[in-house]
Amino acid sequence: LAKTTQPISMDSYEGQEVNITCSHNNIATNDYITWYQQFPSQGPRFIIQGYKTKVTNEVASLFIPADRKSSTLSLPRVSLSDTAVYYCLVGLLYSSASKIIFGSGTRLSIRP
Amino acid sequence: GAVVSQHPSWVICKSGTSVKIECRSLDFQATTMFWYRQFPKQSLMLMATSNEGSKATYEQGVEKDKFLINHASLTLSTLTVTSAHPEDSSFYICSARDGGTGGNPDTQYFGPGTRLTVL
Repeated sequence: LAKTTQPISMDSYEGQEVNITCSHNNIATNDYITWYQQFPSQGPRFIIQGYKTKVTNEVASLFIPADRKSSTLSLPRVSLSDTAVYYCLVGLLYSSASKIIFGSGTRLSIRP
Repeated sequence: GAVVSQHPSWVICKSGTSVKIECRSLDFQATTMFWYRQFPKQSLMLMATSNEGSKATYEQGVEKDKFLINHASLTLSTLTVTSAHPEDSSFYICSARDGGTGGNPDTQYFGPGTRLTVL
């Protein structure tokens, strides 16, 4: 089981760059790393996914070091609407050997 | 693309009754769907994995006779909470894996969730 560890909470201010790091020491060779955002009373929303090095899309970047034992979600210039819980997931959905386990997530609070 | 819907978005029922929650993948075929439960201020807990045309696989501690899951088509899975009790009150969320040629098969797409309150 590829368990993940994230900071419980983080605070930042509007316009700042926020980096949230996730540890996954037991990641398997074929596992992907996926980040989700969840607002209260809503289902998680896909943010970004990667396997190694760096991935960037229109909302975030994902940095993965060579050993893949951790990953960092980078949110550029956050706004109040980025206040949410962010989850890091590691696993391979179509493999019964890799369970999908949500960690505690990181509660991000953005202040004006 | 990759939209998952749930119905109803919220439901209130009396203790002892059964409640059915539907999960649909609107623009892709989902060979695998997942059901989660989330209590206030807590993370999502995987309840079961549902594969189209076969029996669901339940996580340890989840009663399969209480939480009936049916995945009859590639776009629809249902969760029925039988003989609901107040302790079953929770936020139920489904997700679906894109089993088609488009999209990354390792990506889950989540529904908006269903708030169940049992009186």
